[in-house]
Amino acid sequence: QLHLQESGPGLVKPSETLSLTCTVAGGFIDSSGFHWGWIRQTPGKGLVWIGSVDYSGTTAYNPSLESRVTISVDTSKNHFSLRLTSVTAADTAVYYCARRLILDGTMVAFDYWGQGTLVTVSS
Amino acid sequence: DIVLTQSPDSLAVSLGERATINCKSSQSVLYSFYNKNCLAWYQQKPGQSPKLLIYWATVRESGVPDRFSGSESATDFTLTISSLQAEDVAVYYCQQYYSSPLTFGGGTKVEI
Repeated sequence: QLHLQESGPGLVKPSETLSLTCTVAGGFIDSSGFHWGWIRQTPGKGLVWIGSVDYSGTTAYNPSLESRVTISVDTSKNHFSLRLTSVTAADTAVYYCARRLILDGTMVAFDYWGQGTLVTVSS
Repeated sequence: DIVLTQSPDSLAVSLGERATINCKSSQSVLYSFYNKNCLAWYQQKPGQSPKLLIYWATVRESGVPDRFSGSESATDFTLTISSLQAEDVAVYYCQQYYSSPLTFGGGTKVEI
């Protein structure tokens, strides 16, 4: 059974960088059959896709966040990471990592999700 | 960006009754090569992460009870719970994966 676990600081100061890691257990991140993504959730904006990465490090980002986001993968540690720079209170959210299925060569939906981690941006 | 508009925002259904949730896309999400719509449905129970129920608009994820079904008509999509159970109380979201950025609907809260 695949298990994803987010980790990182729960409190980040405004203008600083938010860094989270998603550790994958029960499966290997260096599989060509999946992508790995970050999604955040707030009461006001709902679920927002941040971006995704594959095992080779190829990324795709939401244009609304692209200038501040970096997603990377470390296959040796079986984890992938999120960096979001210059955070403001608007970046306060529950952050989820998730696996994205690839079926017949097409990227599909997110079939496994981490439990989520609340990150608060405040001084 | 593709906008997904869900309706209603919330609904109350009696146990054993049918629940119907709608999701309207601002543009086609039909992947013509496979003639399939790039639309997924998720269930999120309180305090939990979203759970994939349906993808390709109508394909049930493994392990999902068959009381959950998805239907499609052009840019209109529907999630139906044929006989609501107590454990189905949750917020349901649609999501398109046709084009980037991936986008989600605003959610529909289902209560007893």
